[in-house]
Amino acid sequence: DSGVTQTPKHLITATGQRVTLRCSPRSGDLSVYWYQQSLDQGLQFLIQYYNGEERAKGNILERFSAQQFPDLHSELNLSSLELGDSALYFCASSPHRGYTEAFFGQGTRLTVV
Amino acid sequence: AQTVTQSQPEMSVQEAETVTLSCTYDTSESDYYLFWYKQPPSRQMILVIRQEAYKQQNATENRFSVNFQKAAKSFSLKISDSQLGDAAMYFCAYRSATNRDDKIIFGKGTRLHILP
Repeated sequence: DSGVTQTPKHLITATGQRVTLRCSPRSGDLSVYWYQQSLDQGLQFLIQYYNGEERAKGNILERFSAQQFPDLHSELNLSSLELGDSALYFCASSPHRGYTEAFFGQGTRLTVV
Repeated sequence: AQTVTQSQPEMSVQEAETVTLSCTYDTSESDYYLFWYKQPPSRQMILVIRQEAYKQQNATENRFSVNFQKAAKSFSLKISDSQLGDAAMYFCAYRSATNRDDKIIFGKGTRLHILP
């Protein structure tokens, strides 16, 4: 158990809908990272937050947004969903800049039908 | 921008044999971390081994060891005495140790099959 909790584990929704994925980082971790993994693909970096502020942005679609709250949990919002958004979405957390590794949650599997 | 390249999409090895997975990376930074992550069928991301760039000694973790060649920007993973449980997707990854943007950058992965 990495200590990073993602909810829900599975999500099935229709095209055009909007969903929110939630991530609770390890206690005290300030950084949260979101990744997307499509079927049999690598992990694509979406966005990073550090202590409530956006730190880095990857190839995140405009239909996607995220935020980190004062209690450090983070949410990834996906709107106007398309079939191609079906993927495994990972959240990872890390204590602070310069810390060696990040810790991954179990992921949320999103299926858009 | 940093990049990580894994040139072997798939590999197979006989059980109990040794296999080496290749990884190269590109960066202009001098201080960084390198990782190998394992992703079994459960899709969980499991850290296998890490290497700090400032350390010349290659990291080892039981049957897993790396060959870190900083000048060549190469970071290969050797798995000794392969076991059926080693079958998984393996990702090489890079992380800056000093940059404000310290996201982990992953390669595309190598799928490892273990032959009984």
